[in-house]
Amino acid sequence: KAGVTQTPRYLIKTRGQQVTLSCSPISGHRSVSWYQQTPGQGLQFLFEYFSETQRNKGNFPGRFSGRQFSNSRSEMNVSTLELGDSALYLCASSLIPTSGTTYEQYFGPGTRLTVT
Amino acid sequence: DQQVKQNSPSLSVQEGRISILNCDYTNSMFDYFLWYKKYPAEGPTFLISISSIKDKNEDGRFTVFLNKSAKHLSLHIVPSQPGDSAVYFCAAADQTGANNLFFGTGTRLTVIP
Repeated sequence: KAGVTQTPRYLIKTRGQQVTLSCSPISGHRSVSWYQQTPGQGLQFLFEYFSETQRNKGNFPGRFSGRQFSNSRSEMNVSTLELGDSALYLCASSLIPTSGTTYEQYFGPGTRLTVT
Repeated sequence: DQQVKQNSPSLSVQEGRISILNCDYTNSMFDYFLWYKKYPAEGPTFLISISSIKDKNEDGRFTVFLNKSAKHLSLHIVPSQPGDSAVYFCAAADQTGANNLFFGTGTRLTVIP
């Protein structure tokens, strides 16, 4: 079974631009979560999508948004990029995001975004 | 505010010895804990997990211990192998059922041959 794929793997943008990152979950997985990883901060939760609906959102400004398509693929968008947005953006998929079940998530390799 | 903390950014261990990675949390609502391993240029890989109803879970060379009263968990790797060298992240989930993992900042483990 293919793993979580993310495109592109690397991206360089300038301040003020916007960027769209893509994530394809493992086949059959319907929940997709996005995380930002920066040095010293670990992984910070951005948002989660399930059945094309945002189920949960982390503490990030409105410049960060996402969506999920009917085939469970997800995109995240960052508008008006700032230098501090430079990070590794990780996507994770899981089978069923219900209470009481395992929270095991499978991560993609990430997209390394550099904002100059 | 970091709800999951890994206070040791790095750890070096001789091959064959035990590696102990520690993690503390502050939120008493957390009821499920996971460890992930991350190699450079790859996403985190799930390693082992433990529910708050248990105090120990073992999988091969990996054992996770949970001390709820101290809000502390640890990952033991015995025996350590050079291939275990990676960054290890501790993560926790709360009882709301939201698929939102709270991660620590990671500990880089180096196993010296």
